[in-house]
Amino acid sequence: DVKVTQSSRYLVKRTGEKVFLECVQDMDHENMFWYRQDPGLGLRLIYFSYDVKMKEKGDIPEGYSVSREKKERFSLILESASTNQTSMYLCASSLIWAFSETQYFGPGTRLLVL
Amino acid sequence: AQTVTQSQPEMSVQEAETVTLSCTYDTSESDYYLFWYKQPPSRQMILVIRQEAYKQQNATENRFSVNFQKAAKSFSLKISDSQLGDAAMYFCAYKAGTASKLTFGTGTRLQVTL
Repeated sequence: DVKVTQSSRYLVKRTGEKVFLECVQDMDHENMFWYRQDPGLGLRLIYFSYDVKMKEKGDIPEGYSVSREKKERFSLILESASTNQTSMYLCASSLIWAFSETQYFGPGTRLLVL
Repeated sequence: AQTVTQSQPEMSVQEAETVTLSCTYDTSESDYYLFWYKQPPSRQMILVIRQEAYKQQNATENRFSVNFQKAAKSFSLKISDSQLGDAAMYFCAYKAGTASKLTFGTGTRLQVTL
């Protein structure tokens, strides 16, 4: 089974802090994704990566950056956290060229910025 | 840009009954995939069922089936013999055939009552 893990389930940070969210997958997937989930808005793509050191902006990249130094690990960085970044963050991965490229999700990190 | 619409924020079904969750999408692509994901309370998002646009036959997975109406751009999920464990948020998602990104709807919260 594909396993996608995220470093924290719950996180509380102060406004202006630098925040790192880590995601690790164990199935050698090329694609990795970061979404944020907000009530009434569904999941919105922040960034994704299709290879080591490669990244593409999603629909809402402002205020975020990402890092992918190793294939299995994809980090989301909030350079200076703000209260409007309080949300649930979901990581996912998928295998390029696999049938339908189904995405597999981590358990999520619920971030509260005070 | 592709959009996915779930017009039912909440639904309720009695145990052992059947419920249908609605999803419509908008695309100009001819090659694409559609997915239903389930997110139980405080648990990981998992794939329920997927449909390839080129297939006329509706996908089924045990008690879960879809009604895929390509011309109408409609992709509803039918859950038969509902169980308490089916209570969750359900997200409809779209992926263009050549892309890796998913576009999600806003979700439908399904409640299962005794």
